[in-house]
Amino acid sequence: AQTVTQSQPEMSVQEAETVTLSCTYDTSESDYYLFWYKQPPSRQMILVIRQEAYKQQNATENRFSVNFQKAAKSFSLKISDSQLGDAAMYFCAYRSGTSYGKLTFGQGTILTVHP
Amino acid sequence: EPEVTQTPSHQVTQMGQEVILRCVPISNHLYFYWYRQILGQKVEFLVSFYNNEISEKSEIFDDQFSVERPDGSNFTLKIRSTKLEDSAMYFCASSPGMGSTDTQYFGPGTRLTVL
Repeated sequence: AQTVTQSQPEMSVQEAETVTLSCTYDTSESDYYLFWYKQPPSRQMILVIRQEAYKQQNATENRFSVNFQKAAKSFSLKISDSQLGDAAMYFCAYRSGTSYGKLTFGQGTILTVHP
Repeated sequence: EPEVTQTPSHQVTQMGQEVILRCVPISNHLYFYWYRQILGQKVEFLVSFYNNEISEKSEIFDDQFSVERPDGSNFTLKIRSTKLEDSAMYFCASSPGMGSTDTQYFGPGTRLTVL
């Protein structure tokens, strides 16, 4: 079975600074997708960024980028120029390429942004 | 922007009672999901649903659970005889398809408390 581990229960960053959230996963599959979801307080989870395992290039979405290390099974999220609105719980998630959409989540990392 | 909605936001029930959690997925989405998060634990996949059938389910989704799309807009999760350990936040999600670029959109969740 696949597992996803986020080893940082909490992280904090100063506004305008850069922060990296860690995620590792365990799988024997070669076809899979990885995601970072953001859950602001009392709000829905929303997708931040996705990475297909077959793509070597790291995904980027504006201030958000990933460092995908397939051999190390590592998938970290870098947030540049942090904003107060980035404060949220961040979840790393895995989806098998053969599943019907099942997402396997990590424990989550609470990100605090200080003004 | 279209959103997944869930009702009620908080449900309190007595052990052994039946509960129905309701979700309205995004209107043109074809795939529907339920996840749950017990307090302090990971978000866990329960079930995926497509074309009026369960596509995939987890070990958690036993005979006490059922899902239904009773009409063109609602997607429900029924727990027949609730147990204390069913207390959790239940999230509904929907996606337009199953492709690698099809994002799962999550609802805000229903907090179920079993007394």
